[in-house]
Amino acid sequence: SSELTQPPSVSVSPGQTARITCSGDTLPKQYAHWYQQKAGQAPLLVIFKDTERPSGIPERFSGSTSGTTVTLTITRVQAEDEADYYCQSAGSGGTSPWIFGGGTRLTVL
Amino acid sequence: QVQLVESGGGLVKPGGALRLSCETSGFYFNDYYITWVRQAPGKGLEWVSYISSSSFAKYYADSVKGRFTISRDNAKSSVDLHMNDLRVDDTAVYYCARGREGNNWIESWGRGTLVTVSS
Repeated sequence: SSELTQPPSVSVSPGQTARITCSGDTLPKQYAHWYQQKAGQAPLLVIFKDTERPSGIPERFSGSTSGTTVTLTITRVQAEDEADYYCQSAGSGGTSPWIFGGGTRLTVL
Repeated sequence: QVQLVESGGGLVKPGGALRLSCETSGFYFNDYYITWVRQAPGKGLEWVSYISSSSFAKYYADSVKGRFTISRDNAKSSVDLHMNDLRVDDTAVYYCARGREGNNWIESWGRGTLVTVSS
């Protein structure tokens, strides 16, 4: 089955830029989406279809793609951005619509 | 506003059964698929099950196939997840979530309900 690989943790100082990667063999053929999950809360969609931003999500959040890797970039990081971030895409099998990456804990120093 | 509210979680012994429900409001239910995603304590997200807007398509993760059954009632804007033969590693917060038919990203999530499987 297909997998999505994320770094377990990323740390940045306030005002800096955070980049969180997600790698998988199916990503050149399938869109990736990103969710933010703050402690004790449900996930929140922050990027869909690799680069699209839902309404209400700050412009500081952006997505990009290159080959088998997609990247979530957060510019001018704020303390409120501290959370776990998960990428998600389609599974390679016909009956596995969703796979999630293992998640990346973003720490704002 | 869009709401998805899960219920039915609790403590159950291994081998036991539970029925989770997802009550929705604030959107036209018939246009959306519903999916369940779980999160074990301190772990990441794991997709569990999916049901299409018409109930025509139903999918399950390999880890729950044959034990969990998903169904929906479009007249009541609700979805059930019947869980049988529960195992200790089914312990998790179970989230109900929606997406527009044809899209594979999740637009909205409920707050989750905790299922604990323990003797």
